[in-house]
Amino acid sequence: DAGVTQSPTHLIKTRGQQVTLRCSPKSGHDTVSWYQQALGQGPQFIFQYYEEEERQRGNFPDRFSGHQFPNYSSELNVNALLLGDSALYLCASSLGLAGVNEQFFGPGTRLTVL
Amino acid sequence: SQQGEEDPQALSIQEGENATMNCSYKTSINNLQWYRQNSGRGLVHLILIRSNEREKHSGRLRVTLDTSKKSSSLLITASRAADTASYFCATPFEETSGSRLTFGEGTQLTVNP
Repeated sequence: DAGVTQSPTHLIKTRGQQVTLRCSPKSGHDTVSWYQQALGQGPQFIFQYYEEEERQRGNFPDRFSGHQFPNYSSELNVNALLLGDSALYLCASSLGLAGVNEQFFGPGTRLTVL
Repeated sequence: SQQGEEDPQALSIQEGENATMNCSYKTSINNLQWYRQNSGRGLVHLILIRSNEREKHSGRLRVTLDTSKKSSSLLITASRAADTASYFCATPFEETSGSRLTFGEGTQLTVNP
């Protein structure tokens, strides 16, 4: 039973560039959430996708956008990168929208913006 | 703002000792989840305790939940060096459109061999 997978593992970009991160949910899960974790902090919610639609969004600018595909996999796109976007980006999958079930996290993508 | 707050921020113990971490939260919840994170890596789900449960066990882990005090504790018994990690509590913040997890800052546990 495959868990949550994310790619790439590491990424280095320069300010102003654009980046796309990818996530495949755990088998049987249909909901994908993205979180940003700065060094020494807890994860911060970016947005959540269900049925190919963004259902919830945290306090992040429009430079952060996403997509969910029919196979439930998801992408996170960040435009016009800033130094402050350097962080670990975590994808989590769950079954359904309600917060009654566990969310399982992938290994994360470490983004460094120079 | 963060929903959950862990206490202490850092904890250093010797192998074989027990480690207790606490979590407080602000609003009503239907469950609380604990996660472990090894340095710079993904979060590993440890345990979910529902609001109608007071205590739950999983191997060397024991979690308690006191909804009247809006607090939870995670006890790791007979700790091992491999338990060295950051531990986070997370609570679902529910809206009609879905549910997000809100995390505290975490407790950094160091188990010395």
